Amino acid sequence: AQSVTQLDSQVPVFEEAPVELRCNYSSSVSVYLFWYVQYPNQGLQLLLKYLSGSTLVKGINGFEAEFNKSQTSFHLRKPSVHISDTAEYFCAVSAISNFGNEKLTFGTGTRLTIIP
Amino acid sequence: DVKVTQSSRYLVKRTGEKVFLECVQDMDHENMFWYRQDPGLGLRLIYFSYDVKMKEKGDIPEGYSVSREKKERFSLILESASTNQTSMYLCASNPLAASSYEQYFGPGTRLTVT
Repeated sequence: AQSVTQLDSQVPVFEEAPVELRCNYSSSVSVYLFWYVQYPNQGLQLLLKYLSGSTLVKGINGFEAEFNKSQTSFHLRKPSVHISDTAEYFCAVSAISNFGNEKLTFGTGTRLTIIP
Repeated sequence: DVKVTQSSRYLVKRTGEKVFLECVQDMDHENMFWYRQDPGLGLRLIYFSYDVKMKEKGDIPEGYSVSREKKERFSLILESASTNQTSMYLCASNPLAASSYEQYFGPGTRLTVT
């Protein structure tokens, strides 16, 4: 089984400052990793994903994340945030298998608030 | 573009009522999922289905059932709604492919049980 820990439930950041949202995972098998964003009153939208290859993954809206296998982390970063980045961010993992019907395990989410 | 739609954005029901939440996807995906989202708990999987008429329990199936009669439609049923089922319900889908497990989400249904 997999588990995901997002230690920060809320992160306030001033506009145009950098931000890092932390995600650590636990798994006995290799995993795929995802970050989703949920804007107010909306469903979840994929920000970025790590499947294989380069450990630095770039996503939409200027976000990027780095996969660190030794530290079992997949932290999300943005060098300069905007008011429109105010949202809840979820880290998720799924086990790699050949069956194609693996489940996603989500973290508890981090609410990012941008201060003008 | 993948489109996952849910029948209602907001729903208010009374305790003991039978509640149906509908989800439809238009991308011919084999897999469909129902989650509930609660503050501080993230998303928890209720049920999922990888084929018509197939279903598997997720992490919190108690008090829920599902139906999948057609590939594009996955229904979540609350047989007798209770106040502790007040929550945001999210539906998702993805294809049965080994290369990626990205899930596509609907806009959610915020259910209030009074």
